[in-house]
Amino acid sequence: GESVGLHLPTLSVQEGDNSIINCAYSNSASDYFIWYKQESGKGPQFIIDIRSNMDKRQGQRVTVLLNKTVKHLSLQIAATQPGDSAVYFCAETGNTGNQFYFGTGTSLTVIP
Amino acid sequence: DSGVTQTPKHLITATGQRVTLRCSPRSGDLSVYWYQQSLDQGLQFLIQYYNGEERAKGNILERFSAQQFPDLHSELNLSSLELGDSALYFCASSVAAGGPTEAFFGQGTRLTVV
Repeated sequence: GESVGLHLPTLSVQEGDNSIINCAYSNSASDYFIWYKQESGKGPQFIIDIRSNMDKRQGQRVTVLLNKTVKHLSLQIAATQPGDSAVYFCAETGNTGNQFYFGTGTSLTVIP
Repeated sequence: DSGVTQTPKHLITATGQRVTLRCSPRSGDLSVYWYQQSLDQGLQFLIQYYNGEERAKGNILERFSAQQFPDLHSELNLSSLELGDSALYFCASSVAAGGPTEAFFGQGTRLTVV
């Protein structure tokens, strides 16, 4: 079955620095990927998505990079702010495309 | 606010009991997904419904069941509860029958089994 993993369980960055959160996935047939942010006590919140026919997509202060060759996904957050402190999950659609498989998450802490 | 509503927010019950969690999807969304999130764990997909029909099944125990009603709200039934069932249960909805499209999550129901 599919598995999605994260390289680092925790990440601490200084306010104003850029953050990079990495994710590895195992299913080469996956064609859609999402990054979610989950703050304490809340449900996951959509940040940005990317389809497998792209290798980069930019949003507001966030960029997602997809490297299908090594099955790696990353989320870059520019000028990280205290409000960015949360757990970040990457998720992929598996073969069926009917549900998302989530990694265990990376906890990002922004130091003021 | 994602537009997905889950009730109740908190639930405390004893082992062996049965509970029902409720989810109202975003207006216009036909797909409902249920996920379980245990302490320090990621989100585990349980089951998906699309327009009243079961569409996909994940790691859902036989003690758990779900359904989606004609008004598209969904209920997750958990029976013969065990301590290990304590977790956050999230509902998500999306407009499509399957991927690829983003799913919007509710705030979750925190279930504590004592």
